[in-house]
Amino acid sequence: GESVGLHLPTLSVQEGDNSIINCAYSNSASDYFIWYKQESGKGPQFIIDIRSNMDKRQGQRVTVLLNKTVKHLSLQIAATQPGDSAVYFCAGLTGNQFYFGTGTSLTVIP
Amino acid sequence: GAVVSQHPSWVICKSGTSVKIECRSLDFQATTMFWYRQFPKQSLMLMATSNEGSKATYEQGVEKDKFLINHASLTLSTLTVTSAHPEDSSFYICSARGRGPVNEQFFGPGTRLTVL
Repeated sequence: GESVGLHLPTLSVQEGDNSIINCAYSNSASDYFIWYKQESGKGPQFIIDIRSNMDKRQGQRVTVLLNKTVKHLSLQIAATQPGDSAVYFCAGLTGNQFYFGTGTSLTVIP
Repeated sequence: GAVVSQHPSWVICKSGTSVKIECRSLDFQATTMFWYRQFPKQSLMLMATSNEGSKATYEQGVEKDKFLINHASLTLSTLTVTSAHPEDSSFYICSARGRGPVNEQFFGPGTRLTVL
């Protein structure tokens, strides 16, 4: 089956610093990726997406980078805030289904 | 974005009972719904995909008779955990997709199942 995995299970950053969350995927056929944010006890919330024909996409305080050569994508959060504390997942679209990575728990230290 | 609701948000039941979880698309017609399972501190695992009016397609390793999925209308899918046991305790999340692009998938808030 699909495998989308993250390098780091936990990440702690100081408020105001930038955060970088990484994700590796194995299926080269995945042509679309989404980063989700999940707060405790809630469903995933869409953050940003990127298609495989792009290598970078920017949103508000977030940037996603895609490196298809090494099957890696990252989520960069600028000026991390306490409200950014959550678990972040990447998900890759294969066929018509999304498969999720293992998740990174981000803790922002005030 | 589109709204997907789940009911109940939290259920506690005794071992051996069956529990039904509802997933509703509130402002769009969901032609496809997905059911995920999430254990604490783990990722979402896709359990099954259901298209309105047809049988669900289950992922490998997911018991069809254990997790009954019904997608009887374009706004409602149900997941029934039959004869629940403590190991079925988990966070169950549904998502729904309408007639738009396959990448437009909207998630529900999840249902926490605790089996005593």
